[in-house]
Parts: sequence; C-alpha cells; structure tokens
Amino acid sequence: GDSVTQMEGPVTLSEEAFLTINCTYTATGYPSLFWYVQYPGEGLQLLLKATKADDKGSNKGFEATYRKETTSFHLEKGSVQVSDSAVYFCALPGSSNTGKLIFGQGTTLQVKP
Amino acid sequence: GAGVSQSPSNKVTEKGKDVELRCDPISGHTALYWYRQSLGQGLEFLIYFQGNSAPDKSGLPSDRFSAERTGGSVSTLTIQRTQQEDSAVYLCASSLVGGRETQYFGPGTRLLVL
Repeated sequence: GDSVTQMEGPVTLSEEAFLTINCTYTATGYPSLFWYVQYPGEGLQLLLKATKADDKGSNKGFEATYRKETTSFHLEKGSVQVSDSAVYFCALPGSSNTGKLIFGQGTTLQVKP
Repeated sequence: GAGVSQSPSNKVTEKGKDVELRCDPISGHTALYWYRQSLGQGLEFLIYFQGNSAPDKSGLPSDRFSAERTGGSVSTLTIQRTQQEDSAVYLCASSLVGGRETQYFGPGTRLLVL
C-alpha cells in the first residue's frame, strides 16, 4: 500500500543554517504531495504542495521538488529562523479516491538562536 | 466560515463515559475527514465523508467509534465507553471535494481519558 517515510528527528539547527528534511514515498501512480507544519500548540497547516512530477512547491522560504525518479519530496530552506521550530509532516493522498491523507511520522525541528 | 473549527478544544473524561467531538468545516466544502494524532501512532485517518455519506470508515479503530454528518456541514465524532488508549488529539479537515484536493485542518480536540 501507499506509504510515506520521513527522516527521524529531532533536528536541531542554529539560526540561519540550511535545512533539509527527507521524505520518500511509495504510491500507485503520481499522487499530489504535501508538506504540513504544526507549530507548538497549533493545528496542522498546509506548508506547500506539488501536484505532478518535477513540480516545485514553495512557501515561506521553504521548497520541495517532486522527484518521481527517486520517489522523493525533500523539504529545504536556505536559512532557518527560530520561528520555524515546529513539527513537519510529509503526506500524500491514499490510493483510494477518497483522498484520505497518509502521513509520515513527522520530523521535529528545533532552531536555536 | 473562515476556517475549520472544532469543539471542545480540550476534553477530560473518565474511562467508560461517552464523548462527542464536533467539527464545523469550511463553508462549501463537501469533503470532511477525521484523523487522530497520538504519541504512539502518529497521524491516522479515521473516516471520510462526502456530503452526508461516509464511503470510507476504514480507519475507525473499533465499533465504539462512530461519526455522522448532517446537512452536508457539521460532523460529530462519538466515542462510546472511552478507554485510556483513546486519549489523543482528534483532528478534523475539510476540502472542496473529495479525492486529491488540499485538506484544511481544524485546531483539534485534545481528549484525555482518565
């Protein structure tokens, strides 16, 4: 069945460091891919998405490119800030037509000043 | 509405009691989803509504869990005879239509079963 695998956390970085959070997936066909973010004490928010191969999603300085050759959707940011500290989830719709999301296990990012 | 709303935001209950969690989706969104976020299991899908019908209930963990949606809008998730393992954050999401549209999440209801 469809699945998402994220790198283990927590990830601890200093402010202005480069961030990569790895995400790989197994899926039938070419589903849309999503990154959601959960800030402390808040609900899940869509961070970015890509709907087809080679698409690049971007938002708030974060980027992720849909790579069908490597079945990956790694999240990157060139210079993280303390305010980026959160839990990041990679997700894709399941193979059924319902669109129910399958999430990775989440990666906690802590950015220190 | 501006976003998905859920109530209550927090619920503490005693083992064996029934609880009802409410979700109010974004106006005009026909698809509604319930998920559960727990420490041991991560984020899990529970049930999907398209309009008032639930074509996918595959994620409900036991027959103590049920959900309904009325008027194509508000949904209620009911947990009967709560157990301590039901403690989790219950998240609701809606999207314009079912399938592969973007889902927008509510703030969640944090349930603690003592």
